[in-house]
Amino acid sequence: DTGVSQDPRHKITKRGQNVTFRCDPISEHNRLYWYRQTLGQGPEFLTYFQNEAQLEKSRLLSDRFSAERPKGSFSTLEIQRTEQGDSAMYLCASSLITGELFFGEGSRLTVL
Amino acid sequence: SQQGEEDPQALSIQEGENATMNCSYKTSINNLQWYRQNSGRGLVHLILIRSNEREKHSGRLRVTLDTSKKSSSLLITASRAADTASYFCATDAQGTYKYIFGTGTRLKVLA
Repeated sequence: DTGVSQDPRHKITKRGQNVTFRCDPISEHNRLYWYRQTLGQGPEFLTYFQNEAQLEKSRLLSDRFSAERPKGSFSTLEIQRTEQGDSAMYLCASSLITGELFFGEGSRLTVL
Repeated sequence: SQQGEEDPQALSIQEGENATMNCSYKTSINNLQWYRQNSGRGLVHLILIRSNEREKHSGRLRVTLDTSKKSSSLLITASRAADTASYFCATDAQGTYKYIFGTGTRLKVLA
C-alpha cells in the first residue's frame, strides 16, 4: 500500500498520560499536514511541514502539542498530559506542490 | 477557526436526483478543493479548482467558483446511495499552503 499510513489507529489513554501518533506520508510528497476532527465537525488545522521544516502551527494548539518531521520523512504528533478535550480523530495528510491532499485513515484518541 | 462554511449542513435526497452544496470562504485563495468523507474514514479528494478558473467537471461532479463572492458550489448529478457521505470544501489562504476546511455538508441519498 503506497498511501498515507497512520499508527496507531485507535488509542485509549487515561487523563494526564502522554500519547504519540505516527504518520508515514506518500514517499515523494514534501508537504505533510496534521488535522484534528471531532464528531460532526470539519477537520481543524493543527500544523504543517514542508520537508522537515514546520511552517505553521495553529494558535489553537497549546504547548502540550508538538510535532516533528525528522529528515522530511515520517512525522510524529505528541500530546503531553492529555485532557478529555483532546479526544478526537487525528488526521494526517501529505501532498505534492499541486495541493491535492492525500489523507490517512486517522488515529482515534479517547482520553478517559 | 473555520475558513469555509458549507450550506446546507445536511441534505437528504432520492437516488437519481441532483445534490448541490455550497461553500463560502473569507480570504483570497490560490485554489479551492472538495473532499468526501465516509463515516469514520479519512477524507478523499474529489476536485481542485484554481482561483483563475470558474467551472470544472469530473465525472458526475461539477464545481463552480465565484471569487468575487468568495463562494463555490459542488453539484453531484444522478446521485447514488454510495454518494452518502460528508462533503467538505478546503481553501488555502493566498500565499500559503495551509488548507482550512469548512464545517461540511452531510449528504444522505435514499435508495
